[in-house]
Amino acid sequence: KNEVEQSPQNLTAQEGEFITINCSYSVGISALHWLQQHPGGGIVSLFMLSSGKKKHGRLIATINIQEKHSSLHITASHPRDSAVYICAVPYNTDKLIFGTGTRLQVFP
Amino acid sequence: EPEVTQTPSHQVTQMGQEVILRCVPISNHLYFYWYRQILGQKVEFLVSFYNNEISEKSEIFDDQFSVERPDGSNFTLKIRSTKLEDSAMYFCASILANEQFFGPGTRLTVL
Repeated sequence: KNEVEQSPQNLTAQEGEFITINCSYSVGISALHWLQQHPGGGIVSLFMLSSGKKKHGRLIATINIQEKHSSLHITASHPRDSAVYICAVPYNTDKLIFGTGTRLQVFP
Repeated sequence: EPEVTQTPSHQVTQMGQEVILRCVPISNHLYFYWYRQILGQKVEFLVSFYNNEISEKSEIFDDQFSVERPDGSNFTLKIRSTKLEDSAMYFCASILANEQFFGPGTRLTVL
């Protein structure tokens, strides 16, 4: 049983395109995390949100708690945005349950 | 900006050997975690640690694994007798106000 599901698994875009990555979860949560993992493997926290919408630069994250769904949007995508984007939710305690990630490649 | 650090960045070991992965969490954080990511798979929770003891552990975290905070700053993950399937990226994380801060990871390769 997958508690956190992401779509798509892989995404290819041309520079400048608007990107949307989706995340659905089945457990009750207090907040949802969007993380970025670069080819070297390091994980960076992008957003933690519990309601509504957050924006940071060209990144926008939204969440609908009732529908158990979140989206990550990238406006004006750039090759440096190429990475794996991971949705994760805290469960039971504060441990995170991770989605499988969306591999994004942005070509010039 | 404070950050979580991990050493070594890459560890190669022979099957059956003991390894110790080290993490220095952010100094005022109180909750610490180890996660692992097998190549091509999703990140998985191993263990959480609070107040100098394990607060939760996953099924993966069997008797071969142990964690310690020996000196109030370092947070270590020990694998007593490594198996081939322990090859993975191991991430340490610490948490403050529900936000998790990840270390850069240690890539463990078991031959």
